[in-house]
Amino acid sequence: DVKVTQSSRYLVKRTGEKVFLECVQDMDHENMFWYRQDPGLGLRLIYFSYDVKMKEKGDIPEGYSVSREKKERFSLILESASTNQTSMYLCASGGAGGWTDTQYFGPGTRLTVL
Amino acid sequence: GDSVTQMEGPVTLSEEAFLTINCTYTATGYPSLFWYVQYPGEGLQLLLKATKADDKGSNKGFEATYRKETTSFHLEKGSVQVSDSAVYFCALRAGKLSFGAGTTVTVRA
Repeated sequence: DVKVTQSSRYLVKRTGEKVFLECVQDMDHENMFWYRQDPGLGLRLIYFSYDVKMKEKGDIPEGYSVSREKKERFSLILESASTNQTSMYLCASGGAGGWTDTQYFGPGTRLTVL
Repeated sequence: GDSVTQMEGPVTLSEEAFLTINCTYTATGYPSLFWYVQYPGEGLQLLLKATKADDKGSNKGFEATYRKETTSFHLEKGSVQVSDSAVYFCALRAGKLSFGAGTTVTVRA
């Protein structure tokens, strides 16, 4: 089975802190994604990566950056956390078909910014 | 742009009741359609999918048929169980993956 793991299930940070969310997949997938999930809005794509050191902006990249130094790991970075970034963050991975492949999701990180 | 609209919840049902969650889409071209499910405390899992018109996806007793004429992909299950309590997301892929807002379903014993 595909396994996507995220470093924390729950995280509480203060406004202005730098926040790192880590995601690791064990299926050698080329593509990895970061979404945020908010009630009534569904999932919105923040960033995705189709290869090591490659990244593309999604629908809501403002306030976020990403890093993909190794194929299995995709990090989401909040340079200076703000209260409006309180949300559930979901990581996903998918195979070489890119958008044509099913995406496999991690359990999510619920981030609260105070 | 491409988008998905699904019925708002929450939906509360008794065990063995019939479940329908409506989903309609707007897309140029011929997208693939998906239903994802998120059980409490977990990430999203693919429930079923359909890649072309008139295809029927099915899994775990759930079904959805890709209706091009009505641009719909409604999810149905004939007899729900308490274990079906979850949030259900309709999604389409035409290029990127676009999700609906999600529908929370609670099944009571």
